[in-house]
Amino acid sequence: KQEVTQIPAALSVPEGENLVLNCSFTDSAIYNLQWFRQDPGKGLTSLLLIQSSQREQTSGRLNASLDKSSGRSTLYIAASQPGDSATYLCAVTSGGTYKYIFGTGTRLKVLA
Amino acid sequence: DTGVSQNPRHKITKRGQNVTFRCDPISEHNRLYWYRQTLGQGPEFLTYFQNEAQLEKSRLLSDRFSAERPKGSFSTLEIQRTEQGDSAMYLCASSHQDHVDTQYFGPGTRLTVL
Repeated sequence: KQEVTQIPAALSVPEGENLVLNCSFTDSAIYNLQWFRQDPGKGLTSLLLIQSSQREQTSGRLNASLDKSSGRSTLYIAASQPGDSATYLCAVTSGGTYKYIFGTGTRLKVLA
Repeated sequence: DTGVSQNPRHKITKRGQNVTFRCDPISEHNRLYWYRQTLGQGPEFLTYFQNEAQLEKSRLLSDRFSAERPKGSFSTLEIQRTEQGDSAMYLCASSHQDHVDTQYFGPGTRLTVL
């Protein structure tokens, strides 16, 4: 059974810092891994999607890497801003139905 | 293309009442998924449709829950005899048959059971 874990559960950093969020999964047989952002009480905003054959994806200040063999992904946020404050979720797609298996998220707070 | 839409966005109900949520997927997306997210947790898979056929249901989907997708377009999720433990965000997602591994999520319906 696929399980997804995110560390740390919460993180508070001063503005301007570079930071790394971690995601691990137990079964390497995934189709892809996706990072989402969720603001309080809101839906999911897709940030980056990494196919299983890819090693990383970049969008602006965000960079996500994937090491499928070790079951790990990292989301790197450069020069953090207060507007980055949110919960970050990672999810993997596996199985015949392609359903997403989510981690419990990392709650990020960037202090001005 | 307006994305996945869900209605209502918020629903407050009393324990024991029935509620129904609607999800309209992206046009021509033949796959539709329902997830539930409780406070402080990641979303959890509930059920999945391919066209009008419901192909998988999670054990989380008790017999008080029923989902339909008539004609393979919009979907409804009904909860009968709601309980306080049903309070959660209900998320819908859809994907296209040519890109089955990429789901697009709606804004969710937040249910509060008093």
